[in-house]
Amino acid sequence: RKEVEQDPGPFNVPEGATVAFNCTYSNSASQSFFWYRQDCRKEPKLLMSVYSSGNEDGRFTAQLNRASQYISLLIRDSKLSDSATYLCVVNKRGGYSTLTFGKGTMLLVSP
Amino acid sequence: GAGVSQSPSNKVTEKGKDVELRCDPISGHTALYWYRQRLGQGLEFLIYFQGNSAPDKSGLPSDRFSAERTGESVSTLTIQRTQQEDSAVYLCASSVTGFGYEQYFGPGTRLTVT
Repeated sequence: RKEVEQDPGPFNVPEGATVAFNCTYSNSASQSFFWYRQDCRKEPKLLMSVYSSGNEDGRFTAQLNRASQYISLLIRDSKLSDSATYLCVVNKRGGYSTLTFGKGTMLLVSP
Repeated sequence: GAGVSQSPSNKVTEKGKDVELRCDPISGHTALYWYRQRLGQGLEFLIYFQGNSAPDKSGLPSDRFSAERTGESVSTLTIQRTQQEDSAVYLCASSVTGFGYEQYFGPGTRLTVT
């Protein structure tokens, strides 16, 4: 199993749609989880951290399922500006460690 | 506040030449990372510095790649005898510490080896 695995997509959705991405991770000791977004030919930018209890930031909701070792990102009321690649990020080992980035899921929102 | 900065933003070099890429992390961030991203590919971890600890060099693809960091400030990534397969965007990131904290990325250096 890869350390961090994502469906590469692309997910093609119309404006206003709700879309969800999942990401699975292999290390059960992982403790830090994030979603980043990366626009074409730009650097990745932190979208949100993922907390055990789940968290919401406007139209974005992140969930963590430790038992099944996956995290999810839900985007409601998609905007054209949401078109980007969404990277799932997990710390490589518990505690003192670097982050491992998934290869990303591409989202294309059309008018 | 100032984010992570990198220079140059673009670098075109001939095969066989050495290049040096620079990264200025966010002030106060003790952890610094270098990544490589080839066109259409994911991030490839290269090297990680945490304070004054020995760097984690496990991602460096060959001995032509090296990096230095002075204290908790600027870092340079050096690629010797560049090859065409080294063409990529080299991204630097910093974080408060290396204990799984979120990383903040610079805009990258786009390296083209001709």
